[in-house]
Amino acid sequence: GAGVSQSPRYKVAKRGQDVALRCDPISGHVSLFWYQQALGQGPEFLTYFQNEAQLDKSGLPSDRFFAERPEGSVSTLKIQRTQQEDSAVYLCASTVGVGNTEAFFGQGTRLTVV
Amino acid sequence: GQQLNQSPQSMFIQEGEDVSMNCTSSSIFNTWLWYKQDPGEGPVLLIALYKAGELTSNGRLTAQFGITRKDSFLNISASIPSDVGIYFCAGQPPAGNNRKLIWGLGTSLAVNP
Repeated sequence: GAGVSQSPRYKVAKRGQDVALRCDPISGHVSLFWYQQALGQGPEFLTYFQNEAQLDKSGLPSDRFFAERPEGSVSTLKIQRTQQEDSAVYLCASTVGVGNTEAFFGQGTRLTVV
Repeated sequence: GQQLNQSPQSMFIQEGEDVSMNCTSSSIFNTWLWYKQDPGEGPVLLIALYKAGELTSNGRLTAQFGITRKDSFLNISASIPSDVGIYFCAGQPPAGNNRKLIWGLGTSLAVNP
């Protein structure tokens, strides 16, 4: 596609509910990143994929967070048993090659856990 | 997680004024990036800097990669209302860990027409 597309744009979840956030990167982009952005903060790295391989998941805050990119294109970030502290904007970015300079970001998914 | 020191936190200026913001780090970076984020949108890359001392312009925007590799600044000249938004600096750590960007907390810019 023309840009990075994320869905849904907004998600309200009850505490304890599981959620799945989708990212469609720019077609052909090798690298894909997930970031978490809390209100009034800069983005914080969650995880990185190079094609279908998850090469770095050091930023995932707990084992409730899981990400996959099975075919090297679309990626899904899953959060199990959501907690209020999970409320944030989840940003996806992709780059044409390896590494993360000049990343193109999606609009993000705003998750609110009530 | 680690975040860069970005200042000022917010600015309120008159249209036509010049703006300057900067970012500092306690460790060196190989790359400095400046992004702008509008409400409800993802960050958009403004300028990328790859070498210490590099000075790069993009229209009314000018950014520099500090000689020490621990800082960068962004200048906006002759501000206009559409410059309103949050500006973020981001740094890429040295080679071997090029998978994550470290971000500042942002500078919120308001422009009075």
